[in-house]
Parts: sequence; C-alpha cells; structure tokens
Amino acid sequence: AQSVTQLGSHVSVSEGALVLLRCNYSSSVPPYLFWYVQYPNQGLQLLLKYTSAATLVKGINGFEAEFKKSETSFHLTKPSAHMSDAAEYFCAVSVAQAGTALIFGKGTTLSVSS
Amino acid sequence: GAVVSQHPSRVICKSGTSVKIECRSLDFQATTMFWYRQFPKQSLMLMATSNEGSKATYEQGVEKDKFLINHASLTLSTLTVTSAHPEDSSFYICSATGTVAGKQETQYFGPGTRLLVL
Repeated sequence: AQSVTQLGSHVSVSEGALVLLRCNYSSSVPPYLFWYVQYPNQGLQLLLKYTSAATLVKGINGFEAEFKKSETSFHLTKPSAHMSDAAEYFCAVSVAQAGTALIFGKGTTLSVSS
Repeated sequence: GAVVSQHPSRVICKSGTSVKIECRSLDFQATTMFWYRQFPKQSLMLMATSNEGSKATYEQGVEKDKFLINHASLTLSTLTVTSAHPEDSSFYICSATGTVAGKQETQYFGPGTRLLVL
C-alpha cells in the first residue's frame, strides 16, 4: 500500500524567501513521486516528478525536489518565492510513472506576502 | 504538453437530476482515464479507473450505479452522476494517460468540473 503525508496544511512565506513544502511517503515498492500545483478552481499542473533517474529533480517555475530514500521524503523547494506561487500544492505517489492512479497527500496551501 | 479538457466547467442542477461530465484527451490517445473527486479544502480522491473499451474499476465506497463511467473511445470518457443529491456537490477532475509517440506518458489532468446540486 502507498500513502503520502504532507506536513503542514498551510505555509506562509514572504516574497523572496525560501519555500519548503514537506512530503513523506510510504510505499512497499519503489515509488514514483510527483508534485502538482492547483490554482483556485482549476485542475492540477505537474511541477515535477521523480522516476528514479536522478534524486534531485528540477521542475517548472524554479521548483525542485530531492528524493531521499533513507528519509522516505520528497520535499519541494524554491529558493525565492514569488507572489504568483501562492496556490495549493499536492504531493502524490504511484507505483508507476504512468498508467496507474495517483495517491495524493492532503495538500499544502502556500501563501506569499509582500 | 498533452491537453485534457473537461466539459462543462461548472454545472448547477436540481436534486434528483442526472449530470454528465465529459473528459477528452485532445492530442493523444488515452488508454486509461481516471476520475477523482475533490471536496472543498481536501485532497483528490480516486473514484474510478476506466480503460478504453472495458468496464470501469471503482474504488471502495464509490457506488458504480450512481457514478456511471463510459470510456467508449480513446479520446473520450464520461462520468454521469445519476440522481444527484446535494452531498454529491464537489469538484470532479479527470486525468488521462496513454502513449505519445510510442512512449507511455504521465497523467495529464483536466481543468475540473464544479458540480453544485441544489
């Protein structure tokens, strides 16, 4: 069975500050991990994905995440927050890169203040 | 990247009526489509998985007779909420996965459909 835990339902940062959104996973098989962003009343947009090719994954909009097997973590970071980064972020796990359903975490709301 | 559309984007209906939501993959053949439901301030929960040409597989607790899923072609899946009730009000999101240029693609999500049952 697989599961995802996102620590912190709400994270607030100042514009220009480091963004750190935490995600821990549980999986009985090697996981595929994803981060998605959702803006209000919109669908999900893929930020990045881990598919075992490299532990440090770079995504869109300056985001990156590092897969740490020993810590079962896949935290999302961005060096400098922009106002436009304010959104809901979901971490998800799957048993395959594609073709299988995703198990989502509960989400983290990121607020960015000026 | 690949595009998935949903129609309608928003629907308001009376209790007891049925509502059909369409999910289309616009530039690739979606062999598998997934339907998720998202309640306010909550995460996405998988409702069912549909493979083209076969019956959908529903997650535990999801009533297959209430949420009818049809995946009749490689570009279209429909979700019909039958005899909708206020507790069915939610954000329904589909995703599609398939092969593009012979390569299995990550899921692409539709923009979602907001259903409000009065």
